[in-house]
Amino acid sequence: EAQVTQNPRYLITVTGKKLTVTCSQNMNHEYMSWYRQDPGLGLRQIYYSMNVEVTDKGDVPEGYKVSRKEKRNFPLILESPSPNQTSLYFCASSFTRSYNEQFFGPGTRLTVL
Amino acid sequence: KQEVTQIPAALSVPEGENLVLNCSFTDSAIYNLQWFRQDPGKGLTSLLLIQSSQREQTSGRLNASLDKSSGRSTLYIAASQPGDSATYLCAVYTNAGKSTFGDGTTLTVKP
Repeated sequence: EAQVTQNPRYLITVTGKKLTVTCSQNMNHEYMSWYRQDPGLGLRQIYYSMNVEVTDKGDVPEGYKVSRKEKRNFPLILESPSPNQTSLYFCASSFTRSYNEQFFGPGTRLTVL
Repeated sequence: KQEVTQIPAALSVPEGENLVLNCSFTDSAIYNLQWFRQDPGKGLTSLLLIQSSQREQTSGRLNASLDKSSGRSTLYIAASQPGDSATYLCAVYTNAGKSTFGDGTTLTVKP
C-alpha cells in the first residue's frame, strides 16, 4: 500500500531531551516536507527537501533539524525540545516539485513538558 | 510573505445543499494549489490539485476553480452529505517548493 508513515504517533517527553520523529514513504517520491499544526495558527511548514541531500527551511525552522540521506526517509530532529514545540506534526511527500499533489502521514502528537 | 485566507471559518448546512468554500491568497506567483480535507484527529487527505495553468479540476461531486490573477480559488461541493463533514484546507505552493496553508473551513452537514 502506498503510504507515508510516521513514528512515533504519540510522544510525551521532557524539555531538553533530544528526540527524532521518523518519516518514511514507499512511493519513490522526490519531495518531502514537515509541518506542524497548532490551534489558531494552522499548518506551518518547518523544512522541506526537493531530493536526497537537498533540504531547505520553511516558515518555522527554528529548533528543528532534518536530514535526507535516502530518498524514502526524512527524519525530523529536535535537539533540545522546549514546551513551545508541543504540537501535531505531519510529514508529507509528493512525486516531484512539479507534480505537487502531496500525500500526508497520519501525524505525530508531541508533548514537551 | 504569502498569506492564505479561507472564508467562512465554519459552515453548517442541511444535507443535499450545494455549497462553496473560498480560498484567497496574496501572492499570485504560485505554482499550484491543492485542496485537502481533514477529519478530527486525522491526517490530511488530498481532494484536488490545480496547476497554475489550469482553471478548474473536478472529482465526483467536487469542483475546484482557480483564478490566479485575482488570488482566489473556490471549492464547490454538490449535493452535500453528512459524510462530507470535515475541515477543508487549501494550500498554495511556490516553484521553490514552499507551501502556505489556510486555516481551513469547518463544514458540518446535518442529516
